[in-house]
Amino acid sequence: AQRVTQPEKLLSVFKGAPVELKCNYSYSGSPELFWYVQYSRQRLQLLLRHISRESIKGFTADLNKGETSFHLKKPFAQEEDSAMYYCALMGYNTDKLIFGTGTRLQVFP
Amino acid sequence: DARVTQTPRHKVTEMGQEVTMRCQPILGHNTVFWYRQTMMQGLELLAYFRNRAPLDDSGMPKDRFSAEMPDATLATLKIQPSEPRDSAVYFCASGPGQGGTDTQYFGPGTRLTVL
Repeated sequence: AQRVTQPEKLLSVFKGAPVELKCNYSYSGSPELFWYVQYSRQRLQLLLRHISRESIKGFTADLNKGETSFHLKKPFAQEEDSAMYYCALMGYNTDKLIFGTGTRLQVFP
Repeated sequence: DARVTQTPRHKVTEMGQEVTMRCQPILGHNTVFWYRQTMMQGLELLAYFRNRAPLDDSGMPKDRFSAEMPDATLATLKIQPSEPRDSAVYFCASGPGQGGTDTQYFGPGTRLTVL
């Protein structure tokens, strides 16, 4: 079964601390993995995707096929990073996104 | 700056009433998705369309929910009759339909409360 697991509902850190939002997936094949973010009173938007291997707003995520993980990391959190973060999986030859339940990141000053 | 639009933004209704939510995808996008967001379940895919044809509605309760695309600029999600457990935020998203790495562009959502 296709599944995305985000074990933490809430992650609270202080400004400048490192952040790691965990994401594990279950898929029998090679999926595409994404991170979407929803800032307060804004619509859900794409943060990054694993195939791009890019860093957006200081965030990176590496696909670890052995551990079936796609954790989101940032070395120094900023207050403006406070948001809801969703990890998502797209299977082969489909447009469907399977989302995790999300992790709320709170960055305190 | 092209955006997905959704109406209404908020809807409060009584149990048993029909609810219709509308979505205007980004012009030129040929895939449209409906999601439901709740605290407990997070984001769940209800249905999606490509070129106006329904491809997957397995996430949708068939007895009361229906999704259609009357034309390329309008997608609708109807609940009849509505129940309190349908209270959630319903998001529409569209994509260019270029394959598995598509970005989906989300609308602002319709917050539905069923009393």
